[in-house]
Amino acid sequence: DVVLTQTPPTLSATIGQSVSISCRSSQSLLHSNGNTYLHWLLQRPGQSPQLLIYSVSRLESGVPNRFSGSGSGTDFTLKISGVEAEDLGVYYCVQGTHAPYTFGAGTKLELK
Amino acid sequence: QVQLQQSGAELAKPGSSVKISCKASGYTFTSYAMHWIKQTTGQALEWTGYIAPGSGGTKYNEKFKGKATLTVDKSSSTAYMQLSSLTPVDTAVYYCASGAPGNWFAYWGQGTLVTVSS
Repeated sequence: DVVLTQTPPTLSATIGQSVSISCRSSQSLLHSNGNTYLHWLLQRPGQSPQLLIYSVSRLESGVPNRFSGSGSGTDFTLKISGVEAEDLGVYYCVQGTHAPYTFGAGTKLELK
Repeated sequence: QVQLQQSGAELAKPGSSVKISCKASGYTFTSYAMHWIKQTTGQALEWTGYIAPGSGGTKYNEKFKGKATLTVDKSSSTAYMQLSSLTPVDTAVYYCASGAPGNWFAYWGQGTLVTVSS
């Protein structure tokens, strides 16, 4: 199975600060069809996960553009340009290239 | 708008089975695969498998073969996951999730808590 390693496990930020989360895969996530199915989710306390970014860098409808994704192959990054209070929660990367689809362990974003 | 409405919490005894549901609305049910994801107390997420409602075709995580069975009722736009031979390890919140091809996790249900205890 593909292992996704997220760092850091915990992130402390002040409002307005820009932060990045890394997601590294144990194998390339480039699908044979040319797409890379690496997505980012946010789970706020007590809520279901919410899709933020799909296919590495595509912003899901309704998601603020302070969120951005980048990367290729095995290394991916989620960046938040100017953290807001509503961004607190646990961020997960998930890959849909190789079955079984797998999730990172999560990065908890807290207020400093 | 797309909504996935899951059934309520279940309390089950070891060795028994439960069947949880996920009713879809706001899109053509047969257009998107329905995925099921397990989340344990420690927040780890595991993909259980998916079902293509149009064909009934399924793909399971090997880890959940024999544990989870996915079905659909197209007439009511509802997907089901049956969990069998329950043990305390199966205690978790189970989510259904769906979305367009390549964007399978766009929509999520609210989750169903399954607690296995004697």
